[in-house]
Amino acid sequence: DTGVSQNPRHKITKRGQNVTFRCDPISEHNRLYWYRQTLGQGPEFLTYFQNEAQLEKSRLLSDRFSAERPKGSFSTLEIQRTEQGDSAMYLCASSSGLAGVYEQYFGPGTRLTVT
Amino acid sequence: AQTVTQSQPEMSVQEAETVTLSCTYDTSESDYYLFWYKQPPSRQMILVIRQEAYKQQNATENRFSVNFQKAAKSFSLKISDSQLGDAAMYFCAFQGGSEKLVFGKGTKLTVNP
Repeated sequence: DTGVSQNPRHKITKRGQNVTFRCDPISEHNRLYWYRQTLGQGPEFLTYFQNEAQLEKSRLLSDRFSAERPKGSFSTLEIQRTEQGDSAMYLCASSSGLAGVYEQYFGPGTRLTVT
Repeated sequence: AQTVTQSQPEMSVQEAETVTLSCTYDTSESDYYLFWYKQPPSRQMILVIRQEAYKQQNATENRFSVNFQKAAKSFSLKISDSQLGDAAMYFCAFQGGSEKLVFGKGTKLTVNP
């Protein structure tokens, strides 16, 4: 049973460019979550999916951010027109939701640096 | 909105000793979960322990245990027989009716040999 994987692990981009990150959850986990973590802070929730349905979005998720989970398996997070304030670690997590318990297992993250 | 407060930005402990990390939270919900996560330097977040609010018994996982005081909205983590590998950032997290996790700012734990 492999864990949550994220690609790329690091991304450096210039301000104004678009970037896309991918997350592959633990197999058979129907729930997938995205968080953002800046230096010295705890992760902040961005959005989550149950299968392919996006059920909740944070107000942190501006119009420049979009997430998809087209077939209920992997997910992508796209940031358009990146800004320096987008520099952060982007974390993905998944859970099975079995027995109403939503323990979340995290991937290694994608560190984004916007120059 | 729920908030989670970790009042100790940094803690240190001698190897083999016991240390307690503090966490308080604020919520109007009665049914929720609390978690402690460990994040080693440059490594991914690992779930340490989970507590269901409806359970009065404190959760225990090997050397890790919690002191859950629901009325006081307090959820501390005790690490016994500390090991060098316990050095990490520790995050307390709340999960209520929404499945999202609300995290505290973390406590950096240093283990001295």
